[in-house]
Amino acid sequence: AQKVTQAQTEISVVEKEDVTLDCVYETRDTTYYLFWYKQPPSGELVFLIRRNSFDEQNEISGRYSWNFQKSTSSFNFTITASQVVDSAVYFCALLSSNTGKLIFGQGTTLQVKP
Amino acid sequence: GAVVSQHPSRVICKSGTSVKIECRSLDFQATTMFWYRQFPKQSLMLMATSNEGSKATYEQGVEKDKFLINHASLTLSTLTVTSAHPEDSSFYICSARPNIGTGVNQPQHFGDGTRLSIL
Repeated sequence: AQKVTQAQTEISVVEKEDVTLDCVYETRDTTYYLFWYKQPPSGELVFLIRRNSFDEQNEISGRYSWNFQKSTSSFNFTITASQVVDSAVYFCALLSSNTGKLIFGQGTTLQVKP
Repeated sequence: GAVVSQHPSRVICKSGTSVKIECRSLDFQATTMFWYRQFPKQSLMLMATSNEGSKATYEQGVEKDKFLINHASLTLSTLTVTSAHPEDSSFYICSARPNIGTGVNQPQHFGDGTRLSIL
C-alpha cells in the first residue's frame, strides 16, 4: 500500500523560529518521487521540491531545506527563520512510478505569528 | 512555463444545476490530467485520471455518472458536476502531466482550483 503520513496537524511558531515539518511514507515501489507543496489560504498549490528515490542528498533552497532519509522512509522539511508569509498548509506527496498517481499526506497547517 | 489554467475559480449555484470546470494546459500538451477534490481542512483526494481520447479512470467511491470527465484534446480536460447538490460543495483542483519523455514520473502541474458552492 502507498501512504503518506504527516503526523503534525497544526504547528504554531513565532516569527524567526525554525520549524520542521515531518513526513513519513510507505511504498513498495523501488522507484518513486517525493514532493512538498505549499497551499496558501488562496488555495493554489505551490510546488516546492521533488526528490527521486535514488537521490538521498539533502537540499537547501534559501530558508528551506529538506532531509530525505530512505532508511526511515522520511522526507522532512525545515524552514529556518520563519516568516509570517510562510503561514500555509504544507503537503507532502508520493508519486508512484507504477501508477503515476500522486498520494498526498493529510497536510500540516503552519501558523507563523509576528 | 508549465502553466495550467483552471476556470472558473469560483462558482455559486442552486441545487440541481450542472457545473462545468475546465482545465487547460497553456504551454504544453498533456495526454493525462488528474482531478482532485479537497474538503475544508482536509487533504487532496484523487477523483479520477483523465486520458485524452479515452474514458477517464475513476477512483473507488467516485460516481462516474455524477462527475463527468471529458478530455477531448491534448490541452483540455473538463469536469462536469451533474445535478449538483450541497454535498458536492468543495474545492476541485486539476493537474496536468506534460508529454515529455516517457513514463509517469513527470511532475504534475496544478491549476489554481475551483471553489464550488451549491446552495
